[in-house]
Amino acid sequence: SQKIEQNSEALNIQEGKTATLTCNYTNYSPAYLQWYRQDPGRGPVFLLLIRENEKEKRKERLKVTFDTTLKQSLFHITASQPADSATYLCALGLNAGNNRKLIWGLGTSLAVNP
Amino acid sequence: DTGVSQDPRHKITKRGQNVTFRCDPISEHNRLYWYRQTLGQGPEFLTYFQNEAQLEKSRLLSDRFSAERPKGSFSTLEIQRTEQGDSAMYLCASSFGDRESSGYTFGSGTRLTVV
Repeated sequence: SQKIEQNSEALNIQEGKTATLTCNYTNYSPAYLQWYRQDPGRGPVFLLLIRENEKEKRKERLKVTFDTTLKQSLFHITASQPADSATYLCALGLNAGNNRKLIWGLGTSLAVNP
Repeated sequence: DTGVSQDPRHKITKRGQNVTFRCDPISEHNRLYWYRQTLGQGPEFLTYFQNEAQLEKSRLLSDRFSAERPKGSFSTLEIQRTEQGDSAMYLCASSFGDRESSGYTFGSGTRLTVV
């Protein structure tokens, strides 16, 4: 069966440490993978996209890796801050005819403690 | 342009009533998506428009749900004869073509509570 799994448990880390979130998938062949941040009561906010032929992408304190052999993406936040506390969602971009379809994970809750 | 706007932010309705939500996407975005999200879940795809054409509708969506995007600008999502299971956050998102590198821009959602 097709599945997307993110860290099932909430992640609690100390300010200044690196947060690492995982996104694993089975029986999909994504063209790309996106990461979003979602705060309570708000819509998701796009952070980064990584394509199937890319190994790593960086943006400021964010780093995403993509291993199509392991079928896994890792999302890192370095020098984490309490303001980084949120739910982080991964979404697989699949080719579906002329359309690219997004398949969403359940999200991982991150709490950065001061 | 201030992003994707959704109205209302909250809606409480009695079971059996009809409700309609509105979404105003980013003006230059030609694609518009409706999603539904419940607590602890990721967004669930409902339907998608390219300009004014509705190109895909989730098979999970009952006939009580209908969406329109007249003139390819704003969109409305109507739920007829609401049920308690319809209670959720309804999210609208827009994007420009296949510009995946920019991701989807979501609105803040409409939270529906059916009592």
